[in-house]
This record gives sequence, structure tokens and C-alpha cells, in this order.
Amino acid sequence: SQTIHQWPATLVQPVGSPLSLECTVEGTSNPNLYWYRQAAGRGLQLLFYSVGIGQISSEVPQNLSASRPQDRQFILSSKKLLLSDSGFYLCAWSSTGRSAVSYNEQFFGPGTRLTVL
Amino acid sequence: LAKTTQPISMDSYEGQEVNITCSHNNIATNDYITWYQQFPSQGPRFIIQGYKTKVTNEVASLFIPADRKSSTLSLPRVSLSDTAVYYCLVGDSWRDDKIIFGKGTRLHILP
Repeated sequence: SQTIHQWPATLVQPVGSPLSLECTVEGTSNPNLYWYRQAAGRGLQLLFYSVGIGQISSEVPQNLSASRPQDRQFILSSKKLLLSDSGFYLCAWSSTGRSAVSYNEQFFGPGTRLTVL
Repeated sequence: LAKTTQPISMDSYEGQEVNITCSHNNIATNDYITWYQQFPSQGPRFIIQGYKTKVTNEVASLFIPADRKSSTLSLPRVSLSDTAVYYCLVGDSWRDDKIIFGKGTRLHILP
């Protein structure tokens, strides 16, 4: 069966410090990978998605970046955190197996709660 | 991607049936309708998906009228543990690799 891991679960960082959040998926190959952010009481904001190694699409211009060094590894980074980067960060994956009509279900990780002080 | 509109919040009582309606006037021919559920401090999880008419699984039912411009998620006999945010999404992953989540409907079940 497939599993998705995220770490750390919680993180408190000072403004201006770097960030690295990691996400890994097991039990599947060539998944689509996604990073979302959810501010307190708000909906999910898609930050980045990737359809393959080294292929990253950015949805929102900001001081965050993403990388996919391996097929099932997705990393979210920042060189200098801002207060507005606080939130709940979720990694998700979906299958790339495509049929004529279907909508790939996304599977979410446990999330990382980031507080920037 | 088709835009969706759903109520911001709803309250209901334990044991009642809850219906959450989502409007998607610009749904495209190849779009599917998918609902997710999110508990606090967790990622969303897939509940149900449909294209037209009615779909039922062990968790919920999804009603889609012929024009497909709206859909209704039906939760039978809710319990306190059904308190969550419910998201309606419309899309075609073969046209777009990304999924756009709206603000969802915050469902609060009262004892």
C-alpha cells in the first residue's frame, strides 16, 4: 500500500531563518506531488506541483521554492522565512495513471505546522 | 478549472441527514465532481466522486442533476465526528495536473 510521510510535524522558526520541509511517498512510482499551505481558518492554497523529477510548477510567487531530487521525494524550502509563511503545510500525491475519464484522487500527508516568530 | 461555490458554514444535529450543495455553473464536459473532508490539523481525505446522477458509498451519497451545474453531498445520520470542513472540487486532471481547493463548508455537528 502507498504511504506518504512528512517531517517535521511541527516547527518554530525565527523570521529570516531558512526552511526545509521534506515529503516522501512509498509504494508508488512516478506520482504527481503537491505542496499546499493552509493559514489558520482558511482554505488550502496550492504552492507547487510536480509531474516528474526536476519538474516543478509554481502557483504563487513568493519566497518559497520546491525541488524534486528523486521520484518520490518533494522538498519545500525557503532561504529567509517571513511571518506570513506561518501555516499548515501539506504534501500530497496522486497517481499519474490516466484513463479517458477520471479525476485522480489526492492523498495527503500528516502535515507540518510551521510557526514563524 | 471550473469555479465552485458552497456555503461557508452549516450546523446540524446528531442523527440528522446533512446535505451540502455546491454550485459549479461552468463545469466542462470532461470534469468530474469530487468531495473531500478535512478534520482539524489533518490533510483532506477523499470522500466521493461522481460524473452524473447519483453515486453512493459507505460514507456518503452524491447527487448530480442532469445539467451538472450543481451537486449535493449527502451525509446520512451524522455524528459529532462528522464535524469537519467539506470541499467540493470540479476538474479534469487530464487537462490540468493541479487541483484547486476553495474555502469549503465548515460543518458543525451539535449534540
